[in-house]
Amino acid sequence: DAGITQSPRHKVTETGTPVTLRCHQTENHRYMYWYRQDPGHGLRLIHYSYGVKDTDKGEVSDGYSVSRSKTEDFLLTLESATSSQTSVYFCAMSGTASYGYTFGSGTRLTVV
Amino acid sequence: DQQVKQNSPSLSVQEGRISILNCDYTNSMFDYFLWYKKYPAEGPTFLISISSIKDKNEDGRFTVFLNKSAKHLSLHIVPSQPGDSAVYFCAASENSGGSNYKLTFGKGTLLTVNP
Repeated sequence: DAGITQSPRHKVTETGTPVTLRCHQTENHRYMYWYRQDPGHGLRLIHYSYGVKDTDKGEVSDGYSVSRSKTEDFLLTLESATSSQTSVYFCAMSGTASYGYTFGSGTRLTVV
Repeated sequence: DQQVKQNSPSLSVQEGRISILNCDYTNSMFDYFLWYKKYPAEGPTFLISISSIKDKNEDGRFTVFLNKSAKHLSLHIVPSQPGDSAVYFCAASENSGGSNYKLTFGKGTLLTVNP
């Protein structure tokens, strides 16, 4: 088992509502990441964390916030969901340089 | 500006033949390169990697070649099998120290291996 899980796996929400996606890891890794995958764009980094309460922005951070109050949990919040945030969201944790990241199975979010 | 480029959105090959997936990068500070494989409805999984101090790394049917002067790497799959059909992402890392290897991904190439 990869030691990293995401919840929920699927979610449909309405425009303007807040949404929180959860990532949970059991490997005690310091670094965690949120990516989104969209057709024609590949995987793009939203936010990442380098420790409890330590986070930084990625290349597509507008409209998103994150929190990390415990090593094992990294939360991604869409404060007011928009249709452009319909995507598949992947959480990842950092291992060694040789293996890069271990990814979760993804959350498919649809904003209607 | 895209720092990691996979210029072929898709590739189709026959079972048993060689698959060659290409990747170009622009950032000369990248020091580690990885390939990930992704099936539908699953997260990407690590496939193979190469350090910038090497020019080749082999793991079973998978070989990655790195040409630093051309800022180009390629993934060779020999022989290709139908189960290899997936999206392949090229990724590059600029070591920030510790275990924080922030990866930059290409857009991916959809490989289809036909029986």
